[in-house]
Amino acid sequence: SAVISQKPSRDICQRGTSLTIQCQVDSQVTMMFWYRQQPGQSLTLIATANQGSEATYESGFVIDKFPISRPNLTFSTLTVSNMSPEDSSIYLCSVGAGLGEGPEKLFFGSGTQLSVL
Amino acid sequence: SQQGEEDPQALSIQEGENATMNCSYKTSINNLQWYRQNSGRGLVHLILIRSNEREKHSGRLRVTLDTSKKSSSLLITASRAADTASYFCAPVSGGYNKLIFGAGTRLAVHP
Repeated sequence: SAVISQKPSRDICQRGTSLTIQCQVDSQVTMMFWYRQQPGQSLTLIATANQGSEATYESGFVIDKFPISRPNLTFSTLTVSNMSPEDSSIYLCSVGAGLGEGPEKLFFGSGTQLSVL
Repeated sequence: SQQGEEDPQALSIQEGENATMNCSYKTSINNLQWYRQNSGRGLVHLILIRSNEREKHSGRLRVTLDTSKKSSSLLITASRAADTASYFCAPVSGGYNKLIFGAGTRLAVHP
């Protein structure tokens, strides 16, 4: 199993500012994912951040808006840049574990509740 | 990976009753995973069923998989108020390294 510490747990930010969310894992993992969950919605994958390579962004998400760092196998950050009220969401970090193709189990952090005024 | 579609969108039952929720998907899979989310926090992995398995149990959970119909079901027996949560399925296709989640089923268990 993997224990994930995600910080901050919540924040209230002003329009036009940026917020960096940190994700620390208690073990080395290759696969790391960032999701967004808008109010009342399901999770949407923002990007896959594997160590040693550039993050891979899903359609509708760009690096300028959501820059991601993955300096080692236990840590990653997601920055929400130039925020607007539409960015108000829960942001979730998750790591994958598995032996075969693709993650056979995802472990999630407790999320960052972001409100943009 | 592909996105599963959960049905029903919402389910309300009394404690002690069984809850059944379904998941449909479109293309062949390697495995299918079920997750639970409480109060908008992180998801918790419940169970994984592989494409060559038809049924799997874990405590009060029973998952079935019908690859001919491209569907899976999650049964929670003797439900408790603590089972109140959203439940998501995630079908995983070969060659993909990410999980996509559908809208989920919101389960409310009333005491």
